[in-house]
Amino acid sequence: EAQVTQNPRYLITVTGKKLTVTCSQNMNHEYMSWYRQDPGLGLRQIYYSMNVEVTDKGDVPEGYKVSRKEKRNFPLILESPSPNQTSLYFCASSPLLTSGGGDEQFFGPGTRLTVL
Amino acid sequence: AQSVTQLDSHVSVSEGTPVLLRCNYSSSYSPSLFWYVQHPNKGLQLLLKYTSAATLVKGINGFEAEFKKSETSFHLTKPSAHMSDAAEYFCVPLGTGRRALTFGSGTRLQVQP
Repeated sequence: EAQVTQNPRYLITVTGKKLTVTCSQNMNHEYMSWYRQDPGLGLRQIYYSMNVEVTDKGDVPEGYKVSRKEKRNFPLILESPSPNQTSLYFCASSPLLTSGGGDEQFFGPGTRLTVL
Repeated sequence: AQSVTQLDSHVSVSEGTPVLLRCNYSSSYSPSLFWYVQHPNKGLQLLLKYTSAATLVKGINGFEAEFKKSETSFHLTKPSAHMSDAAEYFCVPLGTGRRALTFGSGTRLQVQP
């Protein structure tokens, strides 16, 4: 089954304790992205990647890191989490066509993170 | 830059009646537009997408949307609401370059029995 998986689905942690949220897709997509969803603010892009070893900042990258060592995986790293990073996080992937635009992004189930 | 306005933050309909969720876009060129749905405590699912191939787009679960350039609109409709349609709906433009999906705060659809 074609899918995007995220782990963990739920996480409660404390300020300053490094954590990683994993994201994996089995559709051989070049493009992957992380979003956070907050009430009243919609989804905002954190980081994205056009291919292996190619990553770039989205709208709200502060406090986050990513890596793309393999095509299928795109982990989100919080080196020193803070309470303002409490949010619902979504990973997404899509194919990257040279004609550009219009490609559906497939979303993972979400990770609800609480930082105390 | 592309942006959208979802004209209603909340819509309530009775089961079996039509659904209309409004979306207007602002763009200097034909955009790529999506409608996504998010059920409570669930992830995001694509309902349909417009990519300039056809102005009337049919999606899953009986939903459809019509791209009207003259009105800069991409409203989502369904002839008959079902209880399972209760969810949050997002009209989303696809950005160029970094391909970010710019989700607004959406429209919450409530379906009354």
